[in-house]
Amino acid sequence: IAGITQAPTSQILAAGRRMTLRCTQDMRHNAMYWYRQDLGLGLRLIHYSNTAGTTGKGEVPDGYSVSRANTDDFPLTLASAVPSQTSVYFCASRGLAGSNEQFFGPGTRLTVL
Amino acid sequence: AQKITQTQPGMFVQEKEAVTLDCTYDTSDPSYGLFWYKQPSSGEMIFLIYQGSYDQQNATEGRYSLNFQKARKSANLVISASQLGDSAMYFCAMRGYSGGGADGLTFGKGTHLIIQP
Repeated sequence: IAGITQAPTSQILAAGRRMTLRCTQDMRHNAMYWYRQDLGLGLRLIHYSNTAGTTGKGEVPDGYSVSRANTDDFPLTLASAVPSQTSVYFCASRGLAGSNEQFFGPGTRLTVL
Repeated sequence: AQKITQTQPGMFVQEKEAVTLDCTYDTSDPSYGLFWYKQPSSGEMIFLIYQGSYDQQNATEGRYSLNFQKARKSANLVISASQLGDSAMYFCAMRGYSGGGADGLTFGKGTHLIIQP
């Protein structure tokens, strides 16, 4: 049982470079989310997708974009990385309507220099 | 807008004692859910317990219980008989059910719990 996988596990990136963080789930969950976790700030929602083909902005969307071409994949793209995007990124998913628990991936640690 | 406040940045507790982690929330949604997650030093987010705003009884899951006081807008996590393996960061979170828009979780800043032998 894989659940949610994220790639890469960690990455060091030069400022200005483009980067895509990958997220794949095998639970056929409709809703998927991207959060960033920064020390002392908890987790904050970046973007979300309620179902394949739809996406929306969360609390901190600037500098990030997402797509949801199918149910399983929800990539997060940084078009031009900046040092303030150094963070741990978590992908999460939630099951059908009536399901409350959000399942989290293992996270991607991104450092932008 | 939703807000979660966890006022205890860190806590030290003796092994086998009960622990209460504080969480207060603010929301304008008439219906909402409250969550607790555990994050050990390895980094993964582990779901612990859920309480719906209209649930009549406080949620319990093994050694975890959620002390839900709706009028006070508090959702404290109680861990009974603490164990060394309970040492971790604990996050309180909520999800509003106003319909449409983002339904991701709003998290507090967390409490770092250390269980001492």
